[in-house]
Amino acid sequence: GEDVEQSLFLSVREGDSSVINCTYTDSSSTYLYWYKQEPGAGLQLLTYIFSNMDMKQDQRLTVLLNKKDKHLSLRIADTQTGDSAIYFCAEDKAAGNKLTFGGGTRVLVKP
Amino acid sequence: NAGVMQNPRHLVRRRGQEARLRCSPMKGHSHVYWYRQLPEEGLKFMVYLQKENIIDESGMPKERFSAEFPKEGPSILRIQQVVRGDSAAYFCASSPREGAGTEAFFGQGTRLTVV
Repeated sequence: GEDVEQSLFLSVREGDSSVINCTYTDSSSTYLYWYKQEPGAGLQLLTYIFSNMDMKQDQRLTVLLNKKDKHLSLRIADTQTGDSAIYFCAEDKAAGNKLTFGGGTRVLVKP
Repeated sequence: NAGVMQNPRHLVRRRGQEARLRCSPMKGHSHVYWYRQLPEEGLKFMVYLQKENIIDESGMPKERFSAEFPKEGPSILRIQQVVRGDSAAYFCASSPREGAGTEAFFGQGTRLTVV
């Protein structure tokens, strides 16, 4: 199976919170990342978390990491229509930036 | 400081032709990574290069695909004798150094369509 798994789709109302979940398999991963991809565009790094942390907050974004369950989540507070995009989690399995990506979660924000 | 520049943005090739995709990393970045994104899928690592060296090509198909990052000029991903299954978005990323946690900056990708 895939090394990094995400749910395919999330629909949320504008102003609500969004939670995107990700599971990974490699316990030796040192960093875990969240990227955003808008239609026809490249990937934008949103945030990342070091594996010895449980939580990281950056403005509207909160990342939670459960190492025991190898579960990563991204919470977007006060979701806006501009947050509609595909969100990818990724892990690094080795030194450097050779990243393993999940299949992406398509987030649709409804007004 | 311009970001990672990829060209062309869109490329159409007939089966059997060659495709050449270019990537100019950010200024000061000597580490380049190529990823492929098939439709409705995540990105898959292909190859990691430093100037004039291929460091890790474990994600490259064994045949028809090659990559280089010369001392001068952009990194090139070359696909010979393209087939329909090569249709995908190809993304390049660059970073100033190696090491986990070093941010990699992605280009906007080249979308290859094989007809």
